[in-house]
Amino acid sequence: AQSVTQLGSHVSVSEGALVLLRCNYSSSVPPYLFWYVQYPNQGLQLLLKYTSAATLVKGINGFEAEFKKSETSFHRTKPTAHMSDAAEYFCAVSEGNQFYFGTGTSLTVIP
Amino acid sequence: ETGVTQTPRHLVMGMTNKKSLKCEQHLGHNAMYWYKQSAKKPLELMFVYNFKEQTENNSVPSRFSPECPNSSHLFLHLHTLQPEDSALYLCASSQDRGGTRNTIYFGEGSWLTVV
Repeated sequence: AQSVTQLGSHVSVSEGALVLLRCNYSSSVPPYLFWYVQYPNQGLQLLLKYTSAATLVKGINGFEAEFKKSETSFHRTKPTAHMSDAAEYFCAVSEGNQFYFGTGTSLTVIP
Repeated sequence: ETGVTQTPRHLVMGMTNKKSLKCEQHLGHNAMYWYKQSAKKPLELMFVYNFKEQTENNSVPSRFSPECPNSSHLFLHLHTLQPEDSALYLCASSQDRGGTRNTIYFGEGSWLTVV
C-alpha cells in the first residue's frame, strides 16, 4: 500500500520568508499527487495537482510544488510567506482507485 | 465557494439521539466519500460510494449508517454515538475512482459533538 509522509507536523516561518512543506510518497510508480489546504473550521481545498505533465506545478496564491521521481518527493514551496498562508496543509497521493493522505503540516506565519 | 455542500455545519447530539448529516455535490461526480477528521489524527476514510453503490466500508461501527439515494446526495445517519465520535465529518466527491479523474473535492465539513 502507498504511504505519504509529511516531514514536520508544525512549521513556523517569518512573514516574507520562504515556505517549504515536505512530502514524500512510497510508490515506485509515479502516482498522481496533490496538495490541499485546510483553514480553521473549514474543509480541505485543492491547491494543486501533479498528473505526469510538467514536474513543476503552479497552484493558487503563489505556491508551487515540484515532483522529483528520484526522491519520490512532491515538496511545496512559496517564496514569500504571508499571514494569510497560516493553515493546515495536506499532501495526498492517488494510486489506482485509492487516495492516500499525509498527516498534515500546520503552518504558522510569524509577523 | 464549494461544489460540495454539507449540512448541518455544527451538530450537538446526545448519546441516545438519532441524527443525520447531509451532503450534496453539484459537480456531476459519480463517486462520494465520508471522511472523519479527529484532532491529532490522520484523515480516516469511512465509506465510499461509486454510482450509488457502496464500494468501501473501512470497518466503521454500525452506529454510523450511510445512505446514497443518487450520485448527488450522500447521508450519514447517526445513532447511539459515543463521545469519542466527536469530530469533523467531511464529505467529498470525485468524477470517478480511477486515474486522472480521481481528484477529490471536499465540502466544508460538519462538526459533530456527542455529549
